[in-house]
Amino acid sequence: DAGVIQSPRHEVTEMGQEVTLRCKPISGHNSLFWYRQTMMRGLELLIYFNNNVPIDDSGMPEDRFSAKMPNASFSTLKIQPSEPRDSAVYFCASGVAGLSYEQYFGPGTRLTVT
Amino acid sequence: AQSVAQPEDQVNVAEGNPLTVKCTYSVSGNPYLFWYVQYPNRGLQFLLKYITGDNLVKGSYGFEAEFNKSQTSFHLKKPSALVSDSALYFCAVRGVNQAGTALIFGKGTTLSVSS
Repeated sequence: DAGVIQSPRHEVTEMGQEVTLRCKPISGHNSLFWYRQTMMRGLELLIYFNNNVPIDDSGMPEDRFSAKMPNASFSTLKIQPSEPRDSAVYFCASGVAGLSYEQYFGPGTRLTVT
Repeated sequence: AQSVAQPEDQVNVAEGNPLTVKCTYSVSGNPYLFWYVQYPNRGLQFLLKYITGDNLVKGSYGFEAEFNKSQTSFHLKKPSALVSDSALYFCAVRGVNQAGTALIFGKGTTLSVSS
C-alpha cells in the first residue's frame, strides 16, 4: 500500500493567495483527519471526516479555512486568503472508524506564506 | 474532559541505557492508548497501541509500553536505546465512550540519545 499521499510536499505562496492542499487516504479507510503542526502550538486537529462527512470542524482556525471530501479517496484543505501565520506543516491522516482507531499519517505539506 | 499529558518536554539518555517516555491520561471509561514517533521532516508513525488484554504491549523497533490503570499511565519503554531512536514521541488516547473517532494527542516529548 502506498500509504497516505499528500500534495504538494512544499508550498511557498504570498500573503493573500489561495492555497489548496490535497490528500489521498489509504484505500479502505473511512476516517480522514487534517492536522496542523507548528513549533509554538504543537499538533492541532483541524477537522475530521467519517465516511466523507465532516464530523468535527471545531479546530478550524477561522473562516479562511475550508475542507472538503467529495469521495472516499480524496480530500482538500483550502486557505483563502492565506496569511503568514498560516505557515506550518499540514498533515493528513486516515484510519478505520469503529475498529481500533489508530491513524496513519501522510508525509505532510510544509506551507510557507510570505 | 478527556486529556493526555506528557510531563517531559525532553528526555536525554545515553546509547545502550534503558529509556522511558512518560504519558498519563484522563478519559471516561476504558481507554484506547497509542504511541507515535515523528522523525525530522516526516509524518507521525504508529508505534504501538493498547486496546484490551495484556498490560504490556510490544511495538515496532523494540519499543514497549505498559498500561497501568490505577496510575492512568501508559509509559513508553525500551531496554537499550539507540542513537537512531532520537525523535519526537507522541502519546494519544481515545475513550471507549468518546463520541467520534478522533484521538487526543499529547504535546510530544523529544527523545535525545547520545552516543
